Amino acid sequence: EAQVTQNPRYLITVTGKKLTVTCSQNMNHEYMSWYRQDPGLGLRQIYYSMNVEVTDKGDVPEGYKVSRKEKRNFPLILESPSPNQTSLYFCASSWAEPNSYNEQFFGPGTRLTVL
Amino acid sequence: AQSVAQPEDQVNVAEGNPLTVKCTYSVSGNPYLFWYVQYPNRGLQFLLKYITGDNLVKGSYGFEAEFNKSQTSFHLKKPSALVSDSALYFCAVRDPPSGNTGKLIFGQGTTLQVKP
Repeated sequence: EAQVTQNPRYLITVTGKKLTVTCSQNMNHEYMSWYRQDPGLGLRQIYYSMNVEVTDKGDVPEGYKVSRKEKRNFPLILESPSPNQTSLYFCASSWAEPNSYNEQFFGPGTRLTVL
Repeated sequence: AQSVAQPEDQVNVAEGNPLTVKCTYSVSGNPYLFWYVQYPNRGLQFLLKYITGDNLVKGSYGFEAEFNKSQTSFHLKKPSALVSDSALYFCAVRDPPSGNTGKLIFGQGTTLQVKP
């Protein structure tokens, strides 16, 4: 089954404790992205990657890191989480052709609480 | 800058009645518009998109959307609502229209409640 998977689905942690949220897709998509969803704000892009070893900042990158060492994986790293990073996080992927408008496939989400 | 507005936090409709979820946009250049649905505890699922061509776009699960350039709107519609359509709906616009960041600008979301 074509899908985007994220782990963990739920995480409660404390301020300053480094964590990683994994994202993996099995559709051979070049493009991957991370969003956070907050009430009343919709989804906002954190980071994106056009292909392996190519990443760039989205609208709200502060406090986050990403890496893209393999095509299928795009982990989100919070080096020192803070309470304002409490949110619902979504990973997404799609094919990436020049000027493409392909729909993005989303993972099930990771609900993160930082105490 | 591109932006999307969904003016209603919640839409209530009786099962079997037509439904409309509203979306307006502001873009420079040609708009590339999407609708996604989020069921409880699930990720977003793509419903439909408008890139160019016919103003009436048909999508998954019987949904359709009408692109109206003069009113800068892209309302989601369904002729006959089902209880199972109850979910959170997001309108989104690609940002920027050209270029390849792939970023989507999302509206705030509209909760659709279909009552039996």
